[in-house]
Amino acid sequence: NAGVIQTPRHKVTGKGQEATLWCEPISGHSAVFWYRQTIVQGLEFLTYFRNQAPIDDSGMPKERFSAQMPNQSHSTLKIQSTQPQDSAVYLCASSLRGNGNTLYFGEGSRLIVV
Amino acid sequence: LAKTTQPPSMEAYEGQEVNVSCSHTNIATSEYIYWYRQVPHQGPQFIIQGYKDYVVNEVASLFISADRKLSTLSLPWVSLRDAAVYYCIVTDRAGNTGKLIFGLGTTLQVQP
Repeated sequence: NAGVIQTPRHKVTGKGQEATLWCEPISGHSAVFWYRQTIVQGLEFLTYFRNQAPIDDSGMPKERFSAQMPNQSHSTLKIQSTQPQDSAVYLCASSLRGNGNTLYFGEGSRLIVV
Repeated sequence: LAKTTQPPSMEAYEGQEVNVSCSHTNIATSEYIYWYRQVPHQGPQFIIQGYKDYVVNEVASLFISADRKLSTLSLPWVSLRDAAVYYCIVTDRAGNTGKLIFGLGTTLQVQP
């Protein structure tokens, strides 16, 4: 089992550019979660899907951020018009039963906006 | 969701037993206690979960007070690879809320 796979591991983008981050959950897991981690804010919940349907996006910034799960094998987090404050490690996790309690995290995608 | 309070940091030497405390004074009867840890450059990793009394697995032990307001994660014989941030999370096991809310955790430093 390869675990949760996130790509790219590192991305540097210019201010105002778009950034797309990909996540491949563990095969057979029914839920996918996105978190953002910074030194100042710690681990922040962004959004999650269960059986590909969006369930809770209460942590997503209202503008510029969007997440999709077009099929059971991958999810994307897109940030439009990136800003320096978007610089963070974006973590994806998957869960077997979709109850969110035992999460398996990927290694994260480090986004740097210059 | 119940809030948790943990010490911000701890230090230990290799070979010592480490006990990380977590206070959750408002824990509800439906809520369970989960511990995760995160080493640098990796995502958090599940360690152990419990509801009451005492739980043990191959990695750690979890002691929960009789009133469930306090739990203690015990790591026997820590090594350098146990240096990490340890998160205590309290949530409804039914997963009605879905997401896990991580606090700032306890940073454990291990000295050789």
